[in-house]
Amino acid sequence: KAGVTQTPRYLIKTRGQQVTLSCSPISGHRSVSWYQQTPGQGLQFLFEYFSETQRNKGNFPGRFSGRQFSNSRSEMNVSTLELGDSALYLCASSFGRGASGQGLPSHGSNYGYTFGSGTRLTVV
Amino acid sequence: DAKTTQPPSMDCAEGRAANLPCNHSTISGNEYVYWYRQIHSQGPQYIIHGLKNNETNEMASLIITEDRKSSTLILPHATLRDTAVYYCIVRVPIHFMDSNYQLIWGAGTKLIIKP
Repeated sequence: KAGVTQTPRYLIKTRGQQVTLSCSPISGHRSVSWYQQTPGQGLQFLFEYFSETQRNKGNFPGRFSGRQFSNSRSEMNVSTLELGDSALYLCASSFGRGASGQGLPSHGSNYGYTFGSGTRLTVV
Repeated sequence: DAKTTQPPSMDCAEGRAANLPCNHSTISGNEYVYWYRQIHSQGPQYIIHGLKNNETNEMASLIITEDRKSSTLILPHATLRDTAVYYCIVRVPIHFMDSNYQLIWGAGTKLIIKP
């Protein structure tokens, strides 16, 4: 079956613009999490959605927002882009409720979230 | 908060066992240890997780010390395709009633498998 699909793969934007990234989870998965990855920072959790509801949110400014649709597809939006927003944005999906909060399953469920290949955002 | 510490890089010969250490000296009794890896230009891939007991699956083994302050991920027969950054993660509960957790990601170990 198809994996997690993120579009676009690459994006170049200028400071002050806004951007919308898309994530299509594995068919049947209802939970979607978003992460930001920058060199030296590792993966930083943005937010997690389950059944169109945001369940958890990381420590990012309000310029970062997201939503989930009834078909479980998710989008994240970054407004007023800054140079520091340049990063790889990863989406991960899971069948479970997302009970583990920031993107990993609780004990006993299907192990691990499945990540997409990411969207590489460059802000110039 | 639990914090993970990993060596920044390691080399391993192809066909040998790769042993990747992780220190989590402040871990508490109900905090799981997870391992993920990330191959260049791909998203992270789940490997294994554990709480107290050693665990083994088709990909790797996880050895957790008795005091739980450190763990080792073992890839028994490393191949060139195992070259990746390996992340040690501690899952910390923050709200017991609604099962919310905080993840503490290590900086990762870049494992290079050499032919």
